[in-house]
Amino acid sequence: EAGVVQSPRYKIIEKKQPVAFWCNPISGHNTLYWYLQNLGQGPELLIRYENEEAVDDSQLPKDRFSAERLKGVDSTLKIQPAELGDSAVYLCASSSPGLAVYNEQFFGPGTRLTVL
Amino acid sequence: KQEVTQIPAALSVPEGENLVLNCSFTDSAIYNLQWFRQDPGKGLTSLLLIQSSQREQTSGRLNASLDKSSGRSTLYIAASQPGDSATYLCAVGGAGKSTFGDGTTLTVKP
Repeated sequence: EAGVVQSPRYKIIEKKQPVAFWCNPISGHNTLYWYLQNLGQGPELLIRYENEEAVDDSQLPKDRFSAERLKGVDSTLKIQPAELGDSAVYLCASSSPGLAVYNEQFFGPGTRLTVL
Repeated sequence: KQEVTQIPAALSVPEGENLVLNCSFTDSAIYNLQWFRQDPGKGLTSLLLIQSSQREQTSGRLNASLDKSSGRSTLYIAASQPGDSATYLCAVGGAGKSTFGDGTTLTVKP
């Protein structure tokens, strides 16, 4: 069974440029999460989807960040425009159907973003 | 607001030692607790998931315990090996959200 797939693995951009990250969760996993991880810290939730609905986006900086999961499968996270402080690793995770709070999360390899 | 603390931030042990990693949390109203391993430049690999109704889970040389009343979980690693070197993170599952600690970086010396 394939795990969570993310692309690209690495991205270097100039500040003020746009950037997008893509995630394909494990097949059959209804719940999808986007996390941000700064160096030396644990991941912090940006947004959680149940199928195509964003059920928790309270930590997503909506002035520059956006996300979509149009068909309830893969998802895209976008930053426009990027700032120096956005340099971090962006992690995608998914969990299986059922009551999400009880379910094990599986993570992708992440996208390491560097903003110059 | 849930706060999760992992102490120590770093730990170095000789190969073969048994060791314990600690995770403490402030709000005992949790649904589950999950332990992860993260290798440098990689994503998180799930090690063990403990539901709030459980006291411990075991997988191979790993054993995780949960004491909700005291707000603590421990990850016990038996007979450590150099391949166990990584950062270990705990994640406390609340109402639709997991809160992570900052991890303990473990180095096992041959």
